[in-house]
Amino acid sequence: QQQVRQSPQSLTVWEGGTTVLTCSYEDSTFNYFPWYQQFPGEGPALLISILSVSDKKEDGRFTTFFNKREKKLSLHIIDSQPGDSATYFCAAKSTNAYKVIFGKGTHLHVLP
Amino acid sequence: EAAVTQSPRNKVAVTGGKVTLSCNQTNNHNNMYWYRQDTGHGLRLIHYSYGAGSTEKGDIPDGYKASRPSQENFSLILELATPSQTSVYFCASGDRSFSYEQYFGPGTRLTVL
Repeated sequence: QQQVRQSPQSLTVWEGGTTVLTCSYEDSTFNYFPWYQQFPGEGPALLISILSVSDKKEDGRFTTFFNKREKKLSLHIIDSQPGDSATYFCAAKSTNAYKVIFGKGTHLHVLP
Repeated sequence: EAAVTQSPRNKVAVTGGKVTLSCNQTNNHNNMYWYRQDTGHGLRLIHYSYGAGSTEKGDIPDGYKASRPSQENFSLILELATPSQTSVYFCASGDRSFSYEQYFGPGTRLTVL
């Protein structure tokens, strides 16, 4: 089934804390997993992505983890900042597929 | 400079009217997509295209048509707009490259009264 489940729906953390967002999927053909960040009034933009051959990818304060056996992925944001307040979408795609399957998003609020 | 632009940015339409949303990309990407975003539903794919002259149905195509007259332009057409089509619509472009990244436009807020 081509569906990506994302949790939590909404999350509030304090500045300086660690944020953890999670996603799960069922389709074993998925092999590319991007995370998109969307600020109010803007379109989503790619934040970080990982291929199924890897289990971890870092980009500054953002790290995504991939667990192939459990079909789960997560996004960790360390030292969360108020500027990180946004909606985050996880997504999944199969090789040669035109479609990217998006989760429903997590609204993150980082309080100063 | 913006690689994906959408017009109009805001639109108010009447029920039963025709609405055309336009998208232009300067990325020279083969693939283009139309999504709608609603609270609780995330991004849902309406139509997509893998090149000029092609259009394909996405996950929620009912009530929508699409047109891809050129590599750069991709339109979404609501022939008979209904209040249930009130939403924010995003266009995106992408290529069949290793990165698979999609580049989104700024969105169009459509209100159907």
